[in-house]
Amino acid sequence: NAGVTQTPKFRILKIGQSMTLQCTQDMNHNYMYWYRQDPGMGLKLIYYSVGAGITDKGEVPNGYNVSRSTTEDFPLRLELAAPSQTSVYFCASRGAGEANEQFFGPGTRLTVL
Amino acid sequence: GQNIDQPTEMTATEGAIVQINCTYQTSGFNGLFWYQQHAGEAPTFLSYNVLDGLEEKGRFSSFLSRSKGYSYLLLKELQMKDSASYLCAVMDSNYQLIWGAGTKLIIKP
Repeated sequence: NAGVTQTPKFRILKIGQSMTLQCTQDMNHNYMYWYRQDPGMGLKLIYYSVGAGITDKGEVPNGYNVSRSTTEDFPLRLELAAPSQTSVYFCASRGAGEANEQFFGPGTRLTVL
Repeated sequence: GQNIDQPTEMTATEGAIVQINCTYQTSGFNGLFWYQQHAGEAPTFLSYNVLDGLEEKGRFSSFLSRSKGYSYLLLKELQMKDSASYLCAVMDSNYQLIWGAGTKLIIKP
């Protein structure tokens, strides 16, 4: 099993550009999450999904959109990139049951200039 | 509001024992997680506590007191590879994880 995979690993965007961060998991997990991690800060939840076709906002959703058309894929869309979106983005998934750990992808390091 | 507090940085010596504390105030409680994150890498799961008491897993142990809103992660027989950030996270009433900023642990020979 590959676990959770994310692409790209690194990206530099200009202000106002758009991009999609890809996330795929092969563990048949229903729950998937997108976080951002800024230096010295805790992980902040952007969006999450409890299953295919169901998504919901987290703590910091502004400037982002998601979709969940399949169990495996959970892409994150950035529209009109801003310098405040410079961060490391992690995708995670977990199985049903609150005791289940979240498995993280390797992250995408995004810089907006 | 919801809040997770942990020390920003700690230093310890190889072979010694270190305790990393975490206090929390959240809307509801459905368990507390500890994760390890090496620099430039993703977090990886260490432990989960939902009942009061100590959970031991090899060199790592995690303790929870729900009445005090307090947990600690105990690392024994420290090794250089334990140099990392340790993240405390609480699952709230919506079953979402609220994360602390992490404790950077520096191990010296």
